[in-house]
Amino acid sequence: GAGVSQSPSNKVTEKGKDVELRCDPISGHTALYWYRQSLGQGLEFLIYFQGNSAPDKSGLPSDRFSAERTGGSVSTLTIQRTQQEDSAVYLCASSLDRGFYNEQFFGPGTRLTVL
Amino acid sequence: SQELEQSPQSLIVQEGKNLTINCTSSKTLYGLYWYKQKYGEGLIFLMMLQKGGEEKSHEKITAKLDEKKQQSSLHITASQPSHAGIYLCGAAQNQAGTALIFGKGTTLSVSS
Repeated sequence: GAGVSQSPSNKVTEKGKDVELRCDPISGHTALYWYRQSLGQGLEFLIYFQGNSAPDKSGLPSDRFSAERTGGSVSTLTIQRTQQEDSAVYLCASSLDRGFYNEQFFGPGTRLTVL
Repeated sequence: SQELEQSPQSLIVQEGKNLTINCTSSKTLYGLYWYKQKYGEGLIFLMMLQKGGEEKSHEKITAKLDEKKQQSSLHITASQPSHAGIYLCGAAQNQAGTALIFGKGTTLSVSS
């Protein structure tokens, strides 16, 4: 079956612009995660959605970052007033259910470049 | 907050040689994932270790979890060019396992 898909695969934007990144999780997966991977920084947790529960936003670096998950499926990560330090690969993952014992399946990522 | 340190940061080995990558946690490990990433691609799940002393193997890759040392090792036997990539360890920050943290990765190159 289809894996996690993300769009766009690459996004170049100017500093100060808003961007939206999309994630389509695997059908039936109730948990959805967003991560950011910066050069030399490894993978950084941003936000987690589980069903209809309130999302865990503890990893969002600033209030310029927000995310939604509509209908328990597709998710959109929005970055407002982008800064150069926002340049990174943004990875989305989904799992069948919450918790460590449910493997997270990752999408290919969106490479964001802020000029 | 918990941190995962991977060593070495990068590694170049000759095809056919064995190698080991380590992942050490600053706090209690509730379990650990190993993923592999190739440039421009997402993470590919390798294996998950749930309890101390557990050892899992897949093809020529073996991973082990040492809870006492708060450490996991990934061992590749008879390396091949297809093993090249970035290896990432990830661990749950809590028993609920809802938020993973990851090491910065080990970049493996295999020369033929």
